[in-house]
Amino acid sequence: DAKTTQPNSMESNEEEPVHLPCNHSTISGTDYIHWYRQLPSQGPEYVIHGLTSNVNNRMASLAIAEDRKSSTLILHRATLRDAAVYYCILSPTGANNLFFGTGTRLTVIP
Amino acid sequence: GAVVSQHPSRVICKSGTSVKIECRSLDFQATTMFWYRQFPKQSLMLMATSNEGSKATYEQGVEKDKFLINHASLTLSTLTVTSAHPEDSSFYICSGEGGPYNEQFFGPGTRLTVL
Repeated sequence: DAKTTQPNSMESNEEEPVHLPCNHSTISGTDYIHWYRQLPSQGPEYVIHGLTSNVNNRMASLAIAEDRKSSTLILHRATLRDAAVYYCILSPTGANNLFFGTGTRLTVIP
Repeated sequence: GAVVSQHPSRVICKSGTSVKIECRSLDFQATTMFWYRQFPKQSLMLMATSNEGSKATYEQGVEKDKFLINHASLTLSTLTVTSAHPEDSSFYICSGEGGPYNEQFFGPGTRLTVL
């Protein structure tokens, strides 16, 4: 499985934008980039996914580098409820299983 | 998003007993469901993939005779931990595949403690 590399932890002030980076230099042409997050003591939650183009939804934006070797999850205004571990996962087209890495623990400071 | 429930939310059992965990998709049909395990301060580890009406596919290192998975309907999958031991104590999480992007919807998890 193609690997992703994320910082172990990041901090953000409440109501400020947050940019969570993910490196995936060995990504293949058919790999989708998925982002999930896990709040404390809960199951993960789908955030967003993309293939080549930038994506926006009600939760976040996903910016994908032109060479696809990195991507950035953008939370436009961090709230205390966004404090979670954010996982960046690659999954080939047609494959439906997810292999979680260590993720980035986001702390939001009031 | 779609809702997945798990029952029980937490269970404590004695070593050597078997424990069954249920995973239900409440408002969608999940042809495929997944079971994960998460130890404290670690990431989720995929244990197995189950498709409705067929045998589960287990990841390398996961004993299929110890972790019995049944996916009898499009809304229910069960994981039975047989002859549980203290090292099986963990947070077990299921997910169902659905939605417009075939994303995974996760249950709230079941915390198993084996004494």
